[in-house]
Amino acid sequence: SQKIEQNSEALNIQEGKTATLTCNYTNYSPAYLQWYRQDPGRGPVFLLLIRENEKEKRKERLKVTFDTTLKQSLFHITASQPADSATYLCALSGGYNKLIFGAGTRLAVHP
Amino acid sequence: DAGVIQSPRHEVTEMGQEVTLRCKPISGHDYLFWYRQTMMRGLELLIYFNNNVPIDDSGMPEDRFSAKMPNASFSTLKIQPSEPRDSAVYFCASSRDDGNQPQHFGDGTRLSIL
Repeated sequence: SQKIEQNSEALNIQEGKTATLTCNYTNYSPAYLQWYRQDPGRGPVFLLLIRENEKEKRKERLKVTFDTTLKQSLFHITASQPADSATYLCALSGGYNKLIFGAGTRLAVHP
Repeated sequence: DAGVIQSPRHEVTEMGQEVTLRCKPISGHDYLFWYRQTMMRGLELLIYFNNNVPIDDSGMPEDRFSAKMPNASFSTLKIQPSEPRDSAVYFCASSRDDGNQPQHFGDGTRLSIL
């Protein structure tokens, strides 16, 4: 079965720097991969989707890459702000409309 | 537009009691998902529906769990009898039927079984 690995340790960075979060998977390459943001006490919120035939996707300060050879996705937040502090989850397609979520990485951006 | 609405937001009950969690998906969404989130296991898919029909319930932990979707605007997840190990946050999510669509989550029900 598909196994997804996200860094379980929190990522602490200074405001203004670029945050880079990693999502690795072990089995088949998914048709697409999604990134979500989750704040304490709230449900996950969709951020970006990238398909297997796309290498990079951007949205404002966010950038996602997808390397099917390395079986890895990187999620970047440029010019990070304290408001970006949250847990970020990657999710892989596990069949039609079905997602398999990673455990998430907590990001803390310090002023 | 209203998002996915879940109720109750918090539920505390004693072991052995029946628990019913409720979800109203976004209007026009054909898929509905129930997830459970714990520190140990993360976000796990329990069951999902397409056009009110259960498609995959392989994540339902055991027979004590059941889910229904009587119409396009309402779904329930029931636990009977409840056990302390069922304590978790339960999320409902919905999406459109266009393939690889993002899922829209409610804010969850925090369930504590004493």
